[in-house]
Amino acid sequence: QITLKESGPTLVKPTQTLTLTCTFSGFSFSTNGMGVNWIRQPPGKALEWLAVMYWDGNKDYSPSLQSRVSITKDTSKNQVVLTMTNVDTVDTATYFCGRQSFGDRSPFDYWGQGILVTVSS
Amino acid sequence: EILLTQSPGTLSLSPGERATLTCRASQRVPSVYLAWYQRKPGQAPRLLMFGVSRRATGIPDRFSGSGSGTDFTLTISRLEPEDFAVYYCQQYGNSPYTFGQGTKLEIK
Repeated sequence: QITLKESGPTLVKPTQTLTLTCTFSGFSFSTNGMGVNWIRQPPGKALEWLAVMYWDGNKDYSPSLQSRVSITKDTSKNQVVLTMTNVDTVDTATYFCGRQSFGDRSPFDYWGQGILVTVSS
Repeated sequence: EILLTQSPGTLSLSPGERATLTCRASQRVPSVYLAWYQRKPGQAPRLLMFGVSRRATGIPDRFSGSGSGTDFTLTISRLEPEDFAVYYCQQYGNSPYTFGQGTKLEIK
C-alpha cells in the first residue's frame, strides 16, 4: 500500500522558516522515475506546485518561489523535506506531497492528506 | 508558464445527469500531458485521468477525458452521489507544472 504523509508545524510566525517533511511508504525512492512533489492550496484558492525531488537527485522549483524554497531527500528514511524561508501570511495553505512514478512527465498518482499551515503572528 | 482556466466555476447537477467540465490552456499542452484530479473535503486529491483520456487505476468508466492542444474536457456520463466534489485539471508537460482553479460539482 502506497502512502504519503506530511508533517511539520501548523503555526509559524512571519519571517520564520517553515520545514515540512513528507514521509512515504510502499515504494522505493531508489526506483528509476520516482519523484516526490510539494504542492499547496491556500484557503479558497487553486493548487500551486512548489517543487519536486527525483530519485536521481535532480530537483526543480517553481520560478515564483525558487528564491525561498529548497527540497532535499533522505532515501534511507523515505522522506523528502521542503524548506521555505521568510514566510508571510500569504503562505498560509494546506501543503501536500504527491508522487510521480515515471519521471518528470508523469501525473501525481498518490498524494498525502495534506497539512494546514497557518502563518500568523 | 502554461495557465489553465477551468469552466464553469460551479456546476449544479442531479445524480444521473451528465457532467461536462472544461479546461483551457494559455498555450499548447505538450503532447498529451494533461491530468484531472478529484478533491473532496478533508481528503487527498485523487488522480482520475492522465494522458488526457487514460483512466487511473480503479476509476470507473463513467469518467472520460478528451481534447488536444489547448482545449480539454472531463465528462462524467451519469453522476453518482460520490462524484460531487471539486475537479482540477493539471498540465505536467512543462515546468512549472500548473493546475486550473477548479470546478465545483455540486448537487442541484
